[in-house]
Amino acid sequence: DAKTTQPPSMDCAEGRAANLPCNHSTISGNEYVYWYRQIHSQGPQYIIHGLKNNETNEMASLIITEDRKSSTLILPHATLRDTAVYYCIARDSWGKLQFGAGTQVVVTP
Amino acid sequence: NAGVTQTPKFQVLKTGQSMTLQCAQDMNHNSMYWYRQDPGMGLRLIYYSASEGTTDKGEVPNGYNVSRLNKREFSLRLESAAPSQTSVYFCASSASGTTIEKLFFGSGTQLSVL
Repeated sequence: DAKTTQPPSMDCAEGRAANLPCNHSTISGNEYVYWYRQIHSQGPQYIIHGLKNNETNEMASLIITEDRKSSTLILPHATLRDTAVYYCIARDSWGKLQFGAGTQVVVTP
Repeated sequence: NAGVTQTPKFQVLKTGQSMTLQCAQDMNHNSMYWYRQDPGMGLRLIYYSASEGTTDKGEVPNGYNVSRLNKREFSLRLESAAPSQTSVYFCASSASGTTIEKLFFGSGTQLSVL
């Protein structure tokens, strides 16, 4: 039972900010939202996680709505190397992270 | 800094053959996982090991067995390979013991069963 929904794909111009939406209206109040990305068949790579507050690290920023029903991952200055599948995920019924189909992001020159 | 190492990277099997996928991590992590990824799809959890000496089934365990050999190593065995097991297999590890699930993945094993 997927707890998160994402658009299947989106394009972004190089150098511009990429804003990746995610809906997670059914997650509980103490569940973290995680973002990973997978570059062309490599193993997924952790990006960031959040609970209630907005978070920022060297890779991205995570904006979580006050009602926690959705979030947005922001890549501030997209580069060609950011082309990847981005996963917004939460724990499944086993308490483990469930990776859905994600959003295919293509950064174009 | 190796992280999570998987072997082999590629393997072709005939239906009915057996093989073991190896995974080792050098980060002193407690938890280890095996996922499979079919073309164009997300990752599905096969088995996981929350700590040394324990293993549990994930979403798609049928046709697989696992062994947590020690804290570093977690192997996945296909006893009688089937074409439906053609997939890319990823091993991952995490520190666990906290509420944060930060997984570190290996580079994957591409398996084809003919």
